[in-house]
Amino acid sequence: QQQVKQSPQSLIVQKGGISIINCAYENTAFDYFPWYQQFPGKGPALLIAIRPDVSEKKEGRFTISFNKSAKQFSLHIMDSQPGDSATYFCAASKAGQGAQKLVFGQGTRLTINP
Amino acid sequence: DSGVTQTPKHLITATGQRVTLRCSPRSGDLSVYWYQQSLDQGLQFLIQYYNGEERAKGNILERFSAQQFPDLHSELNLSSLELGDSALYFCASSGRTGGDTQYFGPGTRLTVL
Repeated sequence: QQQVKQSPQSLIVQKGGISIINCAYENTAFDYFPWYQQFPGKGPALLIAIRPDVSEKKEGRFTISFNKSAKQFSLHIMDSQPGDSATYFCAASKAGQGAQKLVFGQGTRLTINP
Repeated sequence: DSGVTQTPKHLITATGQRVTLRCSPRSGDLSVYWYQQSLDQGLQFLIQYYNGEERAKGNILERFSAQQFPDLHSELNLSSLELGDSALYFCASSGRTGGDTQYFGPGTRLTVL
């Protein structure tokens, strides 16, 4: 069971609003949960990541909330800006013997209207 | 700029052909990962190499193979290409320990006609 489910598939938010993207995972052995941001024509870039020993991590306008018992985690973008318009991917991995293959969610296309 | 380079940027070829995609990791990174991104399958892990040795394998087709050379660059070989192999192929690299951040390259867009 390696699946990571992400929702919504697309999201439109007004400038200044809060964007929220949710992910759920099945494998309780996962211990690393990153969020990646991808602009058209570019590779994914790490935005923020969390490990299951904390319930929340904040970096600037970006916050990850993590609920271990529910096997869910979410990305909150505060004061959303047009420059945040991109596709966002959650991911999960299980580190072991130096291997860290990422299992990605299906992605959320975020549009911030000015 | 992540520091990971991939060549070529675009590749157009015909069914049945073989292509090689190249990746140079960030300076000092020992791990290289290959991912395939398609509209229907999303981002899928293919394979990981660590300091020249295969470390983890995903749902990589038997027609696909990879290797990591002593200078740590990696190549992904795709053979007997099919229309369904058309996708973006990303390489990522990470540091000496398995838990480090993966930095993605700009990708190679493969189109099979």
